Amino acid sequence: GESVGLHLPTLSVQEGDNSIINCAYSNSASDYFIWYKQESGKGPQFIIDIRSNMDKRQGQRVTVLLNKTVKHLSLQIAATQPGDSAVYFCAENHTGGFKTIFGAGTRLFVKA
Amino acid sequence: GAGVSQSPSNKVTEKGKDVELRCDPISGHTALYWYRQSLGQGLEFLIYFQGNSAPDKSGLPSDRFSAERTGGSVSTLTIQRTQQEDSAVYLCASSPRSLNTGELFFGEGSRLTVL
Repeated sequence: GESVGLHLPTLSVQEGDNSIINCAYSNSASDYFIWYKQESGKGPQFIIDIRSNMDKRQGQRVTVLLNKTVKHLSLQIAATQPGDSAVYFCAENHTGGFKTIFGAGTRLFVKA
Repeated sequence: GAGVSQSPSNKVTEKGKDVELRCDPISGHTALYWYRQSLGQGLEFLIYFQGNSAPDKSGLPSDRFSAERTGGSVSTLTIQRTQQEDSAVYLCASSPRSLNTGELFFGEGSRLTVL
């Protein structure tokens, strides 16, 4: 079936370093790939998305890379800060559809 | 604020009881979603409402689960004869667009504990 999975359940980085969170997906028909951030006790918060016809998209301190050849998605966070500590989910969906499929999540720890 | 509002934030119930969870989406958002998140897990899609169209209930895990959306706004998720495996955080999200490009606006969830 369709699935979105993550390579690592936890990631620990030093404050100021760059973070890379990886994700593998299985559905080649997805139109959008999305990253969400979830802090403890809160609902997920949209970070950035990328269309399937793009390879890279940049936001504020974040970059999403999409490699459709190997069905791989990554989120890069520059100069990681303590406030970046959270669980990060990748997700995918289809334009014209509705079901956003979420992966299991990666917990990011930022060490001061 | 004008975000997605969910109530109750916490609910403890006994096995076999019925529970109702409420979601008040962002005003003007036509799409409304319910997800379930078990401890340490990802989000499991439950149901989706879009405008006046029939909801897609394909994610509901059993016939004990049902949801309504009245007047295209507030939604209620009902779980009948609750079981311990129903314990989870139930998240509601809304979106302003019928074509979901990915940006869902989530509430803070209703944590359900079934004893």
